[in-house]
Amino acid sequence: QTVVTQEPSFSVSPGGTVTLTCGLTSGSVSTNYYPSWYQQTPGQAPRTLIYSTNTRSSGVPDRFSGSILGNKAALTITGAQADDESDYHCVLYMGSGIWVFGGGTKLTVL
Amino acid sequence: VQLVESGGGLVQPGRSLRLSCAASGFTFSSYDIHWVRQAPGKGLEWVALISYDGTNRYYADSVKGRFTISRDNAKNSLYLQMSSLRAEDTAVYCCARRGSSYDMDVWGQGTTVTVSS
Repeated sequence: QTVVTQEPSFSVSPGGTVTLTCGLTSGSVSTNYYPSWYQQTPGQAPRTLIYSTNTRSSGVPDRFSGSILGNKAALTITGAQADDESDYHCVLYMGSGIWVFGGGTKLTVL
Repeated sequence: VQLVESGGGLVQPGRSLRLSCAASGFTFSSYDIHWVRQAPGKGLEWVALISYDGTNRYYADSVKGRFTISRDNAKNSLYLQMSSLRAEDTAVYCCARRGSSYDMDVWGQGTTVTVSS
């Protein structure tokens, strides 16, 4: 069974740039998986950041960007701010009406 | 645009529970809707999707055969009938609207299900 992988945790300095990734235990992520990214703070519902690999959701600042890097989907945050400290989740569309989330990445800004 | 879940609670293993999701502020009958859950301290897990008209339903392997997703477009409501519940089904259950692509663009706050004796 294919598993979607994410870094369990990551840290970035204020003002810095960080790239979080979303991969597969078997195979490569491509745009055909329509990767999307969600930000979640404790006790809150997820907020959509990026969909279809690189399309920003309405109201999302342009310092959040999505791409394919090598064989993974990637979420890059440039100019990290304190309130970017959150959990970040990716989800891939596997086809045949099935979606699979990664385990999420806990981002610390310090 | 809002989704509000209800129906969660404490239930014994092997028993059943039905969750509801009430939609408002958009044309509910035009959108596919997901159920997504999050176990304590864990990541998000996709559970199920129902098409806008209810004709197509898809499930994660972890719930297939035990959970049933359904909707009533006249009542702007989504449901998740959960049976043969297990401890590992303990989670916050959220409904989420499928966006213009293969994403989830509107999320509810969730309802908590605890499976324990």
